[in-house]
Amino acid sequence: DGGITQSPKYLFRKEGQNVTLSCEQNLNHDAMYWYRQDPGQGLRLIYYSQIVNDFQKGDIAEGYSVSREKKESFPLTVTSAQKNPTAFYLCASSTDSLFATNEKLFFGSGTQLSVL
Amino acid sequence: QKEVEQDPGPLSVPEGAIVSLNCTYSNSAFQYFMWYRQYSRKGPELLMYTYSSGNKEDGRFTAQVDKSSKYISLFIRDSQPSDSATYLCAMSATGGGNKLTFGTGTQLKVEL
Repeated sequence: DGGITQSPKYLFRKEGQNVTLSCEQNLNHDAMYWYRQDPGQGLRLIYYSQIVNDFQKGDIAEGYSVSREKKESFPLTVTSAQKNPTAFYLCASSTDSLFATNEKLFFGSGTQLSVL
Repeated sequence: QKEVEQDPGPLSVPEGAIVSLNCTYSNSAFQYFMWYRQYSRKGPELLMYTYSSGNKEDGRFTAQVDKSSKYISLFIRDSQPSDSATYLCAMSATGGGNKLTFGTGTQLKVEL
């Protein structure tokens, strides 16, 4: 089945620790995104990538880092600089690329990150 | 003021009712409009997609866009308990997944 796989489903972070959230897609989509979802707030864009080896900051990139070494994978690292990391993190993909845009996003099942 | 406003609910209706979910927005440049359904602790899934104004129907779901009033709606006919979820509106001006602005979501519960 084609889709987006996020792991783990639940993740706990200790103070001062970096943690990495995994996102893999087999939809052959060019673009991938990371969103953060907090209660009472709309989804907020952290980072996005339209092509391998390239990525751009979204609206709330501070305290996060990403890489895009393969088309299928877009891991998100929540660094110790992110002081309020507790949230539901969603990875998404679309056929958006540098040459054509598509706002129809396909989402993974999410990772709930909590601080110990 | 937020660019996109959406009543968080919760909205509780009996099975079989017609449900109306709404979003208002302030950016007149928005022209791509979407509705996503999100079950608890799951990722959103795209339900309806509309470009510019007008209505779009898909089974029990109808999406309506009124750009003059900056108002979009999602109607669900013959609502079912399986429709119980949070419904997110999303919109953008120029297209592209990195340009979407999401509403906060409306929680819907359809009761037997």
